[in-house]
Formats: sequence, C-alpha cells, structure tokens
Amino acid sequence: SQTIHQWPATLVQPVGSPLSLECTVEGTSNPNLYWYRQAAGRGLQLLFYSVGIGQISSEVPQNLSASRPQDRQFILSSKKLLLSDSGFYLCAWSVFGRTYEQYFGPGTRLTVT
Amino acid sequence: KNEVEQSPQNLTAQEGEFITINCSYSVGISALHWLQQHPGGGIVSLFMLSSGKKKHGRLIATINIQEKHSSLHITASHPRDSAVYICAAKGGGSQGNLIFGKGTKLSVKP
Repeated sequence: SQTIHQWPATLVQPVGSPLSLECTVEGTSNPNLYWYRQAAGRGLQLLFYSVGIGQISSEVPQNLSASRPQDRQFILSSKKLLLSDSGFYLCAWSVFGRTYEQYFGPGTRLTVT
Repeated sequence: KNEVEQSPQNLTAQEGEFITINCSYSVGISALHWLQQHPGGGIVSLFMLSSGKKKHGRLIATINIQEKHSSLHITASHPRDSAVYICAAKGGGSQGNLIFGKGTKLSVKP
C-alpha cells in the first residue's frame, strides 16, 4: 500500500531563516506530487506540483521554491522566511494522470516568529 | 467570488442530528472531492465523485453536475464527526489541480 511521509511535523523558525520541508511517498512510482499551504482562516492553496523528477510548476509567485531530486521525494524550500509564510503545509500525491484523486500527508505546521 | 463556495462556514449540531454541508462551484469539473480535516490538521479523503451519489457508513455525498452543486450528508451525527469538511473541485488545465473551498467547521455536541 502507498504511504506519504512529511517532516518535520512542527517547526518554529525566525524571520529570515531558511526552510526545508521534505515529503516522500512509498509504494508507488512516478506519482504526481503537490505542495499546498493552509494559512490561518483560509482555504488550501496549491503552491507547486510536479509530474516528474526535476519538473516543477509554480502556481503562486512567492519566496518559496520546490525541488524533486528523486521520483518519490518532494522538497519545499525558502532562503529567507517571511512572517506570512506561517501556516500548515501539506504534501499530496496522485497517480500520474489521475490528478483528481489526491492523497494527503500528515502536514507540517510552520510558525515564523 | 471563489470558484468553490461552501456553506455554512460553521455548523453546530447535537449528537444524532442529520447534517448537510453544501458546495457550489463555478468551474467546469470532472470530479469533486470531499475531504475531512481534523483539529491536528491531518486530511483524509472521504469521497471522490463525478456523478450521482456515494455512501460510506453514515456519510453520503451527492453531486448534480448540471446545477454545479454537491452536498455532504452525515446521518446520526456523533461528536467524533467534529472536523472541518472541505470541498475540492478539479480545475481546468491539463494537470487539473484541485480548487478548494474554505471549509465548513462542524462541531457536534454530545
């Protein structure tokens, strides 16, 4: 069966510090991968999606970036965090070509102070 | 106007009540998700449907493609049903990424 992991579960970082969140998927090959953010009081927002290694599409311009160094690994990064980056970050995967059925990871709660 | 609208935003019910959460969308879709988000933040996919009706235990989801409307029903509600329920529609574009509603916060009192 497929499982999706995210870490860390919670993170408190000062403004201006770097960020690296990691997501890995097990039990499937060539998945579509997604990063979402849920800011306080707001709905989920798609940040990045990837259909393959090294292929990243950005939905929202911001100071975040994403990378996919391996087939089942998706990394969300920032060089300098802003207060507005605080939120709940979710990684999700779907079977390649079936983007409407997505499976979510446990999430990372990021607080920027 | 958001492309996916949910109502109500907040809902408080007594244990045992029948609950309905509504979702309307303005985009053309091929599928719609109902998701459940617990207080810790974890999200579980409840249903994915493109037509008609699906049932799982006490949960029922319906969709009317012509009216661009979906409903999630909970029968015999229980305090453990307390969560945020999110409707998500598959948007346009080849990748068809999900467009989310803002969620309905449900609280079921014992």
